[in-house]
Amino acid sequence: GESVGLHLPTLSVQEGDNSIINCAYSNSASDYFIWYKQESGKGPQFIIDIRSNMDKRQGQRVTVLLNKTVKHLSLQIAATQPGDSAVYFCAENGNTDKLIFGTGTRLQVFP
Amino acid sequence: NAGVTQTPKFQVLKTGQSMTLQCAQDMNHNSMYWYRQDPGMGLRLIYYSASEGTTDKGEVPNGYNVSRLNKREFSLRLESAAPSQTSVYFCASKWTGDYGYTFGSGTRLTVV
Repeated sequence: GESVGLHLPTLSVQEGDNSIINCAYSNSASDYFIWYKQESGKGPQFIIDIRSNMDKRQGQRVTVLLNKTVKHLSLQIAATQPGDSAVYFCAENGNTDKLIFGTGTRLQVFP
Repeated sequence: NAGVTQTPKFQVLKTGQSMTLQCAQDMNHNSMYWYRQDPGMGLRLIYYSASEGTTDKGEVPNGYNVSRLNKREFSLRLESAAPSQTSVYFCASKWTGDYGYTFGSGTRLTVV
C-alpha cells in the first residue's frame, strides 16, 4: 500500500542552528501534506500544511518545502530552540479524506 | 475550549478483559478518528467516523469496535484485550473537507 516514510529517525542539532527534517511520500495522488509535532506524553499538534499546487509555505520559524518531482517533503525550523525538541511526523492525504502518517523523526536540541 | 478529551489516560488490563476508551470533542467537528501509536510504526488508523451515524474500518480494525454515540462522542471498545493491543491510543477530530486534525492527549494501554 501507499506509505509515507522519513529518512532520519533522530536528528540532533545545536540550539540556534537551523533544522531540516525530511520525508518521502509514495502516493502521487496526494494533494495535501501536513507536519505535526508531538511532545513527550502529548498528542500530535499541527505545525504547518501545504497543498500540491504549492512548492513552499512559510510559517513562524517554520518552512515546508514540497518537491513533487521526487515526492519529497521537508520541514525547516529556523533558529532551533530547546522547546522544539519533539517527534515530528509528516502525513499525506492520498487524495482521500484521511491522513497517512509517517513513522516520525525525533529532534533533539542541545545547548 | 477543551478540544478533544480522552479518558482514561492510563489503563492496565489483563488478557481477555474488555474496556471502552472514551473520546469527546467540543469543536462541532463532523469527522472523528481512532489511531494507535506503536514505537517505530507511526500512527495507524483503527476506525473512523466521517459523520454522525457512520463508522468505517481503517488500517488495523481487528479486535476493536467503535460507536459514534452522537456528534461529540466516539468510543473505542476492546472486547477481549490481547497483549498485541498494548499501545498508545489517540482520538482525533476534524471538519469535513479539512485535514487539520485535532488530537487528544492519548490513552496509554497496557495488556498483561
